[in-house]
Amino acid sequence: DTEVTQTPKHLVMGMTNKKSLKCEQHMGHRAMYWYKQKAKKPPELMFVYSYEKLSINESVPSRFSPECPNSSLLNLHLHALQPEDSALYLCASSQESEGVLAYEQYFGPGTRLTVT
Amino acid sequence: GEDVEQSLFLSVREGDSSVINCTYTDSSSTYLYWYKQEPGAGLQLLTYIFSNMDMKQDQRLTVLLNKKDKHLSLRIADTQTGDSAIYFCAEKDTGFQKLVFGTGTRLLVSP
Repeated sequence: DTEVTQTPKHLVMGMTNKKSLKCEQHMGHRAMYWYKQKAKKPPELMFVYSYEKLSINESVPSRFSPECPNSSLLNLHLHALQPEDSALYLCASSQESEGVLAYEQYFGPGTRLTVT
Repeated sequence: GEDVEQSLFLSVREGDSSVINCTYTDSSSTYLYWYKQEPGAGLQLLTYIFSNMDMKQDQRLTVLLNKKDKHLSLRIADTQTGDSAIYFCAEKDTGFQKLVFGTGTRLLVSP
């Protein structure tokens, strides 16, 4: 199984809502990532979890709150988002967080988020 | 941070070869990667090359690396309509555990 799954596929939320994005992998990978991708742009790294501990936070606003409940799951909790947060949110995983294998990342299909 | 530049768009006919170019600025990058993104999908790793290599071939894909000019290219032989996608090169950010992606090249293959 070389698949990373993400739910939901699409999400529309108001600025006062609270919602969560979910990501799951069963490849035994110990590093998991959240990226944000705006249209016609490359993905931008938001967070890295290594062995279920947050190892990188790329100065992401606190209205985005990641959580790694176990080695297979990664959540992104959303609260009080702004319209400019509308984007494709991609989850990825890799065997490790350092070395060449860190950058052999497997991506999920993404959640298309629209903030109204 | 590093800047990784790519040309925005490439159009080819089915059966031709495609060459997608990438220039990077971090000369200490040890690994360089090519990812493919189809519409509405996540990124798929196509191939990677170590910095001590000049070339790597994998079926229809050939990666060329010119370290002196910090230039990376991806050649797709016998391009098919299913190859239409956005292609991103990426390098490891020195000192950080992250990939730096290029600006992306949209490849359009016409029948």
